[in-house]
Amino acid sequence: NAGVTQTPKFQVLKTGQSMTLQCAQDMNHEYMSWYRQDPGMGLRLIHYSVGAGITDQGEVPNGYNVSRSTTEDFPLRLLSAAPSQTSVYFCASRIQGVAFFGQGTRLTVV
Amino acid sequence: AQRVTQPEKLLSVFKGAPVELKCNYSYSGSPELFWYVQYSRQRLQLLLRHISRESIKGFTADLNKGETSFHLKKPFAQEEDSAMYYCALRAYNQGGKLIFGQGTELSVKP
Repeated sequence: NAGVTQTPKFQVLKTGQSMTLQCAQDMNHEYMSWYRQDPGMGLRLIHYSVGAGITDQGEVPNGYNVSRSTTEDFPLRLLSAAPSQTSVYFCASRIQGVAFFGQGTRLTVV
Repeated sequence: AQRVTQPEKLLSVFKGAPVELKCNYSYSGSPELFWYVQYSRQRLQLLLRHISRESIKGFTADLNKGETSFHLKKPFAQEEDSAMYYCALRAYNQGGKLIFGQGTELSVKP
């Protein structure tokens, strides 16, 4: 039982490049979400999904897209990377309010 | 608006001293509150939730609806308690989003 798996762990992008952060969970949780963690700002919700085919915006959705074609996978796409998107990104799946987090992706945009 | 506030960015105590990490919230309704912890080089994980009314690793937290607080307490801090602590609120009236505070870094000195 791997839990929540995020890839890659580290990534450096140039401004304007696009990329996809992968997230997969094997716990059959309906609820999944993406957060970014920045010093002094805590964890801020980017996008979330309550089940396959359903996604919604969180607190800071601009510049990011998501899709949820299966229960297991919830990828996060950066459309055109900007230095302001330098952060640590966490994927989480949830059941009854209890969240299980991935190890995080440290993204640097130069 | 729903909000979680952790007023202290850093809390530094000596081993054996009492610890209180503050958390205040604003929410229209009956809240469900959690404390999550992130130890160095580990995933963010659930520490405790108010509906469980349990003590985990010596930590307790009581929901005070009158003061809209959910402070985390431990009578005698240990060095292994050093970590980043996040208070979180489950917003039922916003699709069940999990809203996090800014986090408090606890440093327990020998």
